[in-house]
Amino acid sequence: KAGVTQTPRYLIKTRGQQVTLSCSPISGHRSVSWYQQTPGQGLQFLFEYFSETQRNKGNFPGRFSGRQFSNSRSEMNVSTLELGDSALYLCASSLGTTRSYEQYFGPGTRLTVT
Amino acid sequence: KNEVEQSPQNLTAQEGEFITINCSYSVGISALHWLQQHPGGGIVSLFMLSSGKKKHGRLIATINIQEKHSSLHITASHPRDSAVYICAAHYGGATNKLIFGTGTLLAVQP
Repeated sequence: KAGVTQTPRYLIKTRGQQVTLSCSPISGHRSVSWYQQTPGQGLQFLFEYFSETQRNKGNFPGRFSGRQFSNSRSEMNVSTLELGDSALYLCASSLGTTRSYEQYFGPGTRLTVT
Repeated sequence: KNEVEQSPQNLTAQEGEFITINCSYSVGISALHWLQQHPGGGIVSLFMLSSGKKKHGRLIATINIQEKHSSLHITASHPRDSAVYICAAHYGGATNKLIFGTGTLLAVQP
């Protein structure tokens, strides 16, 4: 079974631009969670999608948004990029059902904002 | 305030030593995850625990629900174990949201 894939793996953007990151979960998984990792704040939860609906959201500004498609693939978008958005963005997939808490992480997308 | 605390933040060991990393959390959880991240690398899930103890090779993870505490042990440590180890709490409910500890940077010297 293929693992979680994320594209692109590396990205360089300029302040003020927007960016879209993609995550393809493991086949059969319906939940995709997104996390941001920075040296200063560590790992933080961004949001989770389950069956095309946002199920939970972390404490991030509205510039961060996401969506999930019917095939469970998910995208996250960051608009009006700031230098502080430079980070490793990770997604994790899981079955998403009650008591199935195992999460499988993708390799991440490293975003650099200049 | 971070609801998951890890200690130590940094740990240096000699090859072959027994290593323990600790994690405590503030309220009841549904599951506790131990994750590994090599420098510049992605995250690998090592264990997910809701009770008791799990073992995989030289790695052992335990959790004490009453004391709200979990430990990750590495027996016969090796330089390839050098990585950041992160615990993460899943507080249950209709979400897979994880709350992460700050991580323990482990360096095993030959």
